Amino acid sequence: KQEVTQIPAALSVPEGENLVLNCSFTDSAIYNLQWFRQDPGKGLTSLLLIQSSQREQTSGRLNASLDKSSGRSTLYIAASQPGDSATYLCAVDSSNTGKLIFGQGTTLQVKP
Amino acid sequence: DTAVSQTPKYLVTQMGNDKSIKCEQNLGHDTMYWYKQDSKKFLKIMFSYNNKELIINETVPNRFSPKSPDKAHLNLHINSLELGDSAVYFCASSYYDRVGGYTFGSGTRLTVV
Repeated sequence: KQEVTQIPAALSVPEGENLVLNCSFTDSAIYNLQWFRQDPGKGLTSLLLIQSSQREQTSGRLNASLDKSSGRSTLYIAASQPGDSATYLCAVDSSNTGKLIFGQGTTLQVKP
Repeated sequence: DTAVSQTPKYLVTQMGNDKSIKCEQNLGHDTMYWYKQDSKKFLKIMFSYNNKELIINETVPNRFSPKSPDKAHLNLHINSLELGDSAVYFCASSYYDRVGGYTFGSGTRLTVV
């Protein structure tokens, strides 16, 4: 059974810092991994999608890596801004089930 | 705008009532999903439909009945609402091979009083 864990659960940083959010999963048989952002009371916005054959994806200040063998993904945010404050969710699409399994999320606060 | 749209955005209702949530996508996807986000913000899949056919049915009370009239629509009907049904329900869509990942709607916040 696939389980997804995100560490830390919450993070507070001053503006301008580079930061890393961690995601681990128990079953390496994944189809893809997707990082989402959720603002309070809002829906999920897709940030980056990494296919199982890929090692990383980049979009602007965001970089996501994937290491299937160790069951880990990281989301790197460069030069953080107050507008980056949100909950970041890691979700794994398990190959066999077609289900998207979510982690509990990391709530990020970037202070001005 | 290309998107997954859900209605209503907010739903407040009394215990025992029956309610429906509607979802539509114009992305050309052939697979649609319902996810539930509980009070602890944990997201879990409930149902998945591919081309109007049910393909994933998690352990969900049979008071919840999804209906897909066509591949662009997936509605969720809930009978005899209970307090524990209060949550945010998200609709999502993808291609069956999930190559492009998933697109989520903005959610429906259901409050049962």
